Amino acid sequence: SAVISQKPSRDICQRGTSLTIQCQVDSQVTMMFWYRQQPGQSLTLIATANQGSEATYESGFVIDKFPISRPNLTFSTLTVSNMSPEDSSIYLCSVGVGAETQYFGPGTRLLVL
Amino acid sequence: KQEVTQIPAALSVPEGENLVLNCSFTDSAIYNLQWFRQDPGKGLTSLLLIQSSQREQTSGRLNASLDKSSGRSTLYIAASQPGDSATYLCAVGGGAGNNRKLIWGLGTSLAVNP
Repeated sequence: SAVISQKPSRDICQRGTSLTIQCQVDSQVTMMFWYRQQPGQSLTLIATANQGSEATYESGFVIDKFPISRPNLTFSTLTVSNMSPEDSSIYLCSVGVGAETQYFGPGTRLLVL
Repeated sequence: KQEVTQIPAALSVPEGENLVLNCSFTDSAIYNLQWFRQDPGKGLTSLLLIQSSQREQTSGRLNASLDKSSGRSTLYIAASQPGDSATYLCAVGGGAGNNRKLIWGLGTSLAVNP
């Protein structure tokens, strides 16, 4: 198993600003994932962040808007850049353990005014 | 394109009832299917993982079935308790390793009343 923490747990931001979300894991993992859960919508994968390589973004998500860092095997950050109210969402970090299992962090609840 | 639908969207039951949550998916070519529980402020917890070759998985009072040919899965909760109140999410996996992308349903919000 893996225990994941995220910071901040929630934030209220002004449009046009950027927010960096941190994800910390209690063990070394190769695969980390960033998800978005917009109000009333299902979870959507933003990108896969493997240590030692560039993040792989899903269709509809770009690096300029959601830059990701993965400096080591226990940590990753997701930045939501130039925010608009449409970015209001819960952002979740997860890690891949074994071949299939994913463990999720508690999420970061973001409100953009 | 894989789409996952969960019915009902919300469910309220008295404590002690047995209940069934439904999940359907449009593309039967799945690698696995997982049921998660989401509690506010606590992220998601994996409940059961069913491989595409399996028919069901059980954990305590939970039983999940999979009928790949018809594109359906059910989560059965026996003798429900107030602590079972949460949102239950179904997610379909397309592969393993680097291909373990999950496609999610909207979830069923369950309230178990004492």
